[in-house]
Amino acid sequence: QVQVQESGPGLVKPSETLSLTCTVSGGSISGYFWSWIRQPAGKGLEWIGRIHSSGSSNYNPSLESRVSMSVDTSKNQFYLRLTSVTAADTAVYYCARDSEDYGDNVQEVWGQGTLVTVSS
Amino acid sequence: SYKLTQPPSVSVSPGQTASISCSGDKLVNQYACWYQQKAGQSPALVIYQDNKRPPGIPERFSGSSSGNTATLTITGTQAMDEADYYCQAWDSNTPVVFGGGTKLTVL
Repeated sequence: QVQVQESGPGLVKPSETLSLTCTVSGGSISGYFWSWIRQPAGKGLEWIGRIHSSGSSNYNPSLESRVSMSVDTSKNQFYLRLTSVTAADTAVYYCARDSEDYGDNVQEVWGQGTLVTVSS
Repeated sequence: SYKLTQPPSVSVSPGQTASISCSGDKLVNQYACWYQQKAGQSPALVIYQDNKRPPGIPERFSGSSSGNTATLTITGTQAMDEADYYCQAWDSNTPVVFGGGTKLTVL
């Protein structure tokens, strides 16, 4: 059973770059879209973007100017970089995988999430 | 940008039926799916392609769609169903769009 796990610094200073890693276990990263999704405390889910194992990506237009994603198939990992962060970027960040069986763009596998706080 | 609209909150008594709506102008031509997020947990898929249940999801969860509105229905709601529920669809610019979420309270 495929699992995903987020990792990275829990505290980032304002104006700096947030960098997170998602590690895939129990299956291959190849052939799927992999998303980053965030959730500020007490608020709803916001899709940040996704990357295919081939390297093609799509980003939320509201974040596109600050977001980049990459993938390393040899490590079964994919990555998020968010530049010029502010307090508004404080959230739990989830990585997730598109479904194999339930249709396009459905997020079937979710990580447990990692809290990133932006503060000096 | 594309927006999916959900009621912020829905309340239901145990054993009764809860309905949560999700409106979006592109839903008339596309599927919606639904996620359940219990307190302190990650979201989990409960309905896909408007009305299908993944394995392990109880039969009391059902979905439907008509026009530009998708609906999640929980029949015989149990206390364990208390959670936030999110609908999700997509548009040509954004492959994943979430609704604002609905807090289901089982009173």
